[in-house]
Amino acid sequence: ETGVTQTPRHLVMGMTNKKSLKCEQHLGHNAMYWYKQSAKKPLELMFVYNFKEQTENNSVPSRFSPECPNSSHLFLHLHTLQPEDSALYLCASSQSKAGGGRNEQFFGPGTRLTVL
Amino acid sequence: DAKTTQPTSMDCAEGRAANLPCNHSTISGNEYVYWYRQIHSQGPQYIIHGLKNNETNEMASLIITEDRKSSTLILPHATLRDTAVYYCIVNSGGSNYKLTFGKGTLLTVNP
Repeated sequence: ETGVTQTPRHLVMGMTNKKSLKCEQHLGHNAMYWYKQSAKKPLELMFVYNFKEQTENNSVPSRFSPECPNSSHLFLHLHTLQPEDSALYLCASSQSKAGGGRNEQFFGPGTRLTVL
Repeated sequence: DAKTTQPTSMDCAEGRAANLPCNHSTISGNEYVYWYRQIHSQGPQYIIHGLKNNETNEMASLIITEDRKSSTLILPHATLRDTAVYYCIVNSGGSNYKLTFGKGTLLTVNP
């Protein structure tokens, strides 16, 4: 257990559905991240939130909509996805301004998303 | 952040030391070397990081060359559970909290 939980762990949705992924961290961190990992590809950073404010959007299509109501919770709202959006979606958290180079990110187990 | 180069895959016998190399020839003076690993279909896990001195923790040792252009992650007694993709990442840390993951090295520990 890393202190970062994600729900659901598996999700199958049609292209017209709307669903949300949830991430919660119990580590007192101030920064939270969404990553996407497609089959046989490196992890791709999608969004970064620091103290609830979005500080990075890595050219992510608008069909992915993040929400960070507080420093402990992060959501990824999904609508009108495409089959190529099928991937493992990972959430992570860290201290936003760690000193001494300590920039450890703690990852959740991920949500395996399949878009039909 | 500086780019890193790692072998695509490596094999290691169970119980032996696994030595995973990483080249980061363009590393800047304020950049740290981080190692993460990802066991199949799980989230990545932090292993260790260092600036210029060698580092050791309960999981692994990190050896950084004097010129800092390369490093080696050492798992002293590899077990089957150490089979994973290992990522070497260079980052300045602090407020620069983005980590850029490459393809990493798939380490397979064989019985």
